[in-house]
Amino acid sequence: RKEVEQDPGPFNVPEGATVAFNCTYSNSASQSFFWYRQDCRKEPKLLMSVYSSGNEDGRFTAQLNRASQYISLLIRDSKLSDSATYLCVVVDSNYQLIWGAGTKLIIKP
Amino acid sequence: EPEVTQTPSHQVTQMGQEVILRCVPISNHLYFYWYRQILGQKVEFLVSFYNNEISEKSEIFDDQFSVERPDGSNFTLKIRSTKLEDSAMYFCASSEVRLAGVETQYFGPGTRLLVL
Repeated sequence: RKEVEQDPGPFNVPEGATVAFNCTYSNSASQSFFWYRQDCRKEPKLLMSVYSSGNEDGRFTAQLNRASQYISLLIRDSKLSDSATYLCVVVDSNYQLIWGAGTKLIIKP
Repeated sequence: EPEVTQTPSHQVTQMGQEVILRCVPISNHLYFYWYRQILGQKVEFLVSFYNNEISEKSEIFDDQFSVERPDGSNFTLKIRSTKLEDSAMYFCASSEVRLAGVETQYFGPGTRLLVL
């Protein structure tokens, strides 16, 4: 089983729609969780941290389910500029970032 | 806004040659990292560096790799004898504190290395 697993997509979504994707992780001792966004051939940029109680930042909502070992990202009112690859990142007990392969999102006008 | 910079943006080299990838972390950051991303694949951790020594390294970071902080600003990754499979984007990152909570690692724009 992969350490961090994501549906590669692509998710093709019309502008204005809501889209959600999950990420599962295998190590129950994982410490922290993040969503990064990566545009084509660019560096990853932190989108948001994922807190145990769930957190929201504008149109983005992240949630953590420790029992089932997954995190989720919800994007409301999607915009063309949301098109990117969304990377799930899990921090293990050695403080190493373990990266998912990413979910590609395409927002269509 | 301060940012991590990397040079060169692109590097083409012959198999067996040595390359040095350079990074200038954000000035008040204490922890430095190198990652690589083979085209179309996930980001992979290589090494972390703190207080002038390696703090963690992955299985990928074998004897052909080394890191150095030669002065107060630069952080370098050396690949001694490049192989075809070293072709990838190499990202440098830095953080103010150890990533134990929600502290952010800031990434540089990357160096695209192509080994022929």
